Amino acid sequence: GDSVTQMEGPVTLSEEAFLTINCTYTATGYPSLFWYVQYPGEGLQLLLKATKADDKGSNKGFEATYRKETTSFHLEKGSVQVSDSAVYFCALILNRDDKIIFGKGTRLHILP
Amino acid sequence: NAGVTQTPKFRILKIGQSMTLQCTQDMNHNYMYWYRQDPGMGLKLIYYSVGAGITDKGEVPNGYNVSRSTTEDFPLRLELAAPSQTSVYFCASSWAASYNSPLHFGNGTRLTVT
Repeated sequence: GDSVTQMEGPVTLSEEAFLTINCTYTATGYPSLFWYVQYPGEGLQLLLKATKADDKGSNKGFEATYRKETTSFHLEKGSVQVSDSAVYFCALILNRDDKIIFGKGTRLHILP
Repeated sequence: NAGVTQTPKFRILKIGQSMTLQCTQDMNHNYMYWYRQDPGMGLKLIYYSVGAGITDKGEVPNGYNVSRSTTEDFPLRLELAAPSQTSVYFCASSWAASYNSPLHFGNGTRLTVT
């Protein structure tokens, strides 16, 4: 079935380090892809999205490129801050279906 | 703008008790969802609704019931609480089918069943 696989956490980095969180997907069609972020004590919120191959989503210094050939949507940021500490969820939705499929989440800790 | 509001924030239940988790949104969204989040397991969809009077099962509906009598409210009912229902519950809403509009989440209800 359709699924999303993210790298296991927690990921611990120092402030100003480069971040990559890997995400790959399996889907029978051409999904839209999303990254959601969950800050401590809060619900998830949309960080960025891409709806077709080679699209790049970006927000708050984060970027992710929809790679159809490798079925991937890796999240990157050039210089992380302590305030980026959160849980990050990769997700997909198939255009024919209303229901979004989430990965298991990757917890990110940024040390000052 | 309150967005999606969930109550209560925390609750402890004994096995066999019942309770209702409340969810209300003030964005006039048609679509509403209930998820549970277990540690290391991501989010699982329990029930969803595409409009008032319409509900449907998600991945893990057993042990839960929902109703959608108004656009704003989407309560989740647990009839006979079991330890397996210990989790964090999130309500979410969206304007349209979620490929076309982002989900807006509440801050969650942490439920413990002992």
